[in-house]
Amino acid sequence: GAVVSQHPSWVICKSGTSVKIECRSLDFQATTMFWYRQFPKQSLMLMATSNEGSKATYEQGVEKDKFLINHASLTLSTLTVTSAHPEDSSFYICSARDTPTGAGWGYTFGSGTRLTVV
Amino acid sequence: GQQVMQIPQYQHVQEGEDFTTYCNSSTTLSNIQWYKQRPGGHPVFLIQLVKSGEVKKQKRLTFQFGEAKKNSSLHITATQTTDVGTYFCAGPGNYGQNFVFGPGTRLSVLP
Repeated sequence: GAVVSQHPSWVICKSGTSVKIECRSLDFQATTMFWYRQFPKQSLMLMATSNEGSKATYEQGVEKDKFLINHASLTLSTLTVTSAHPEDSSFYICSARDTPTGAGWGYTFGSGTRLTVV
Repeated sequence: GQQVMQIPQYQHVQEGEDFTTYCNSSTTLSNIQWYKQRPGGHPVFLIQLVKSGEVKKQKRLTFQFGEAKKNSSLHITATQTTDVGTYFCAGPGNYGQNFVFGPGTRLSVLP
């Protein structure tokens, strides 16, 4: 089945620095990828839709200058958290959609990146 | 915007008991998806329901889509400790391909 690889799995950074998270579709091409943020014991909140070769579409309330998304190829999307602050500490997950299976058409998620800003 | 609600928020069951989580939308959904997220893990796609009144089974899991396509349920028969996790339903968002996730139901199974 479809595999989405996300790196790093966890990162600790100092306040004010930037962190880049990579999301790769390993065995399929993804013209669209999605970035979510999940706080402890909460649901997934869509941050932005990453479109290959064009600008990302951000959800209301998400600062596009703070969360930079680049989707330069059909298999790679990156999320850069710029000037990170402790309140940015969260679990960031990417997802993409492959061809449908017997279960239907669903989204494959990366393993997530746990960001801690100190 | 599109909102998908889920109940209950938490459910604790004894191993072997059944479990059901319900998903409701204020608007008609073209389709609905279900995901499972184990503690510390990432969501894993379980199923997509498209047709009104559709019922699909995966071993001990039974998924239903309401006739009005505004609600859905996931039923687990004879729960096992491996069923522990949070179950999310997700419906189409405001843009073409994105999905909006419900708040999830966290299932605990006591051995």
